[in-house]
Amino acid sequence: AQSVTQLDSHVSVSEGTPVLLRCNYSSSYSPSLFWYVQHPNKGLQLLLKYTSAATLVKGINGFEAEFKKSETSFHLTKPSAHMSDAAEYFCVVRASGTYKYIFGTGTRLKVLA
Amino acid sequence: DTGVSQDPRHKITKRGQNVTFRCDPISEHNRLYWYRQTLGQGPEFLTYFQNEAQLEKSRLLSDRFSAERPKGSFSTLEIQRTEQGDSAMYLCASSPRLAGETAYEQYFGPGTRLTVT
Repeated sequence: AQSVTQLDSHVSVSEGTPVLLRCNYSSSYSPSLFWYVQHPNKGLQLLLKYTSAATLVKGINGFEAEFKKSETSFHLTKPSAHMSDAAEYFCVVRASGTYKYIFGTGTRLKVLA
Repeated sequence: DTGVSQDPRHKITKRGQNVTFRCDPISEHNRLYWYRQTLGQGPEFLTYFQNEAQLEKSRLLSDRFSAERPKGSFSTLEIQRTEQGDSAMYLCASSPRLAGETAYEQYFGPGTRLTVT
């Protein structure tokens, strides 16, 4: 069965420093993977998605993620954090052969001034 | 394009009552999803519609939950005989029909927060 594990429930970084949010997936097939962001009192928004094209995926707001099949990982990175990046981030996998999308438990990113 | 809308935004009900939520997807989006999100957790898939057909339903969904999308546009989610454990945020999302795509971006609504007392 497909699943995603977000390895950190909370991450704190200083403004201007790099961001790394970790996600491991479990899938029998070539997965479709996503990162979504949820700002307080706002709806979920897609940051980026991987669908077996380039392994390095660029998203909005300077975020990118690298698909590593050998490590079954899809970590989200950003070179320089901004205060507006403070939010909850979800790693998502589409379960192969179904219409079901499976969300991780989320990582809350805190950006310190 | 006004985005996905959900109504009501908040609902407080007493245990045992029935509630119904409405979702209006982005126009011409033929795919529609319902999720439930509890505090500190990611959204949990409930059901999926393609046009008016309900193609997938979570096994976690009890018989008290039912969803419809009668004309392939708006959708409703009904919970009968609510229980305190039903308290959660109920999210709706829609996706467009895109030829050749296998993984669809979902556009989420603001959610309906249900509190069962």
